[in-house]
Amino acid sequence: EAQVTQNPRYLITVTGKKLTVTCSQNMNHEYMSWYRQDPGLGLRQIYYSMNVEVTDKGDVPEGYKVSRKEKRNFPLILESPSPNQTSLYFCASSLFGEGGATDTQYFGPGTRLTVL
Amino acid sequence: SQKIEQNSEALNIQEGKTATLTCNYTNYSPAYLQWYRQDPGRGPVFLLLIRENEKEKRKERLKVTFDTTLKQSLFHITASQPADSATYLCALEAGGYNKLIFGAGTRLAVHP
Repeated sequence: EAQVTQNPRYLITVTGKKLTVTCSQNMNHEYMSWYRQDPGLGLRQIYYSMNVEVTDKGDVPEGYKVSRKEKRNFPLILESPSPNQTSLYFCASSLFGEGGATDTQYFGPGTRLTVL
Repeated sequence: SQKIEQNSEALNIQEGKTATLTCNYTNYSPAYLQWYRQDPGRGPVFLLLIRENEKEKRKERLKVTFDTTLKQSLFHITASQPADSATYLCALEAGGYNKLIFGAGTRLAVHP
């Protein structure tokens, strides 16, 4: 089954404790992206990757890191989490379709992060 | 500043009626616009894409229009069903095909 998986689905942590949220897709997509979703603000892009070893900042990259060492994986790293990073996080992937990289994005199930 | 606006208030309609959701944007010239459905606690699911040179797109009971002069897209669900109840997000390409900007979404509730 074609899918984007994220782990963990739920995480409660404390300020300053490094964490990684994993994202994996089995569709051989070149493009992958991370979003956070907050009430009233919609989905905001954190980082995206056009392919292996190619990453770039989205609209809200502060406090986050990413890496793309393999095509299928795109982990999100919070080196020193803070309470304002409490949010619902989504990973997404896409082929480079006729409409470009973001032609149709396939989203993972989400990771709900709480930073105390 | 660049902005995407969707009705923040929930839209309540009766089963069988047509639901119409609005997406307005300013200071963008998107090459295309997309609509997604999101159910509580789940990731968005792609529904339709409409390009700047297309006025209208249909898929089963769904219809999307795109007016680049008004900077507006309308999303219609005809013969609505309770199963259509969800939050609907519009998203537009914001330069270079690498960035997709999302609206905050409109919650639709279809009552039997």
